[in-house]
Amino acid sequence: EPEVTQTPSHQVTQMGQEVILRCVPISNHLYFYWYRQILGQKVEFLVSFYNNEISEKSEIFDDQFSVERPDGSNFTLKIRSTKLEDSAMYFCASSDWGEQYFGPGTRLTVT
Amino acid sequence: QKEVEQNSGPLSVPEGAIASLNCTYSDRVSQSFFWYRQYSGKSPELIMSIYSNGDKEDGRFTAQLNKASQYVSLLIRDSQPSDSATYLCAVDRGSTLGRLYFGRGTQLTVWP
Repeated sequence: EPEVTQTPSHQVTQMGQEVILRCVPISNHLYFYWYRQILGQKVEFLVSFYNNEISEKSEIFDDQFSVERPDGSNFTLKIRSTKLEDSAMYFCASSDWGEQYFGPGTRLTVT
Repeated sequence: QKEVEQNSGPLSVPEGAIASLNCTYSDRVSQSFFWYRQYSGKSPELIMSIYSNGDKEDGRFTAQLNKASQYVSLLIRDSQPSDSATYLCAVDRGSTLGRLYFGRGTQLTVWP
């Protein structure tokens, strides 16, 4: 069964460093998303991406964040200068329309 | 303003019982509704989607939607210990390209 994959599973970085989180969506899906979940809190939308451009971004997705689909399979989230409060689980999701399927997540720890 | 609210739980039921999970949403334009299951430390796993009023059944799971009351529920019949997880209600408001608004989740424990 097709699934969304994410790498790395765990990333530890120092405050101020740049990180890139990688995702491979399900191959025939056209819509891609990033969500995050701070420990003990609800899942929060960051950004949606369709047809090689951002469709919508939340208030969380400020100038330190960017997304890219560098090739036909990968979808990346870059955080330019990490802050302590960026520590969270980051989930990639994809859909063909409607139902969104989530990857296993990347746990980002900023020290 | 809270977009999606779920009964806080935790909810504890014996094995074989029916577990009932509830969710209300604030935006009347919402079009699509989803239930996800999340085991501790794992990602949300899609269980059910429902788009129109009424019931939708899939195995032991039944989703119910009432748009007039802005209410969606999930029933789990013949609950199993493996159903113990946090259940997330998610709503797509329909005015955006699939952005999901999640509730905080209800923690379900099924005891043997």
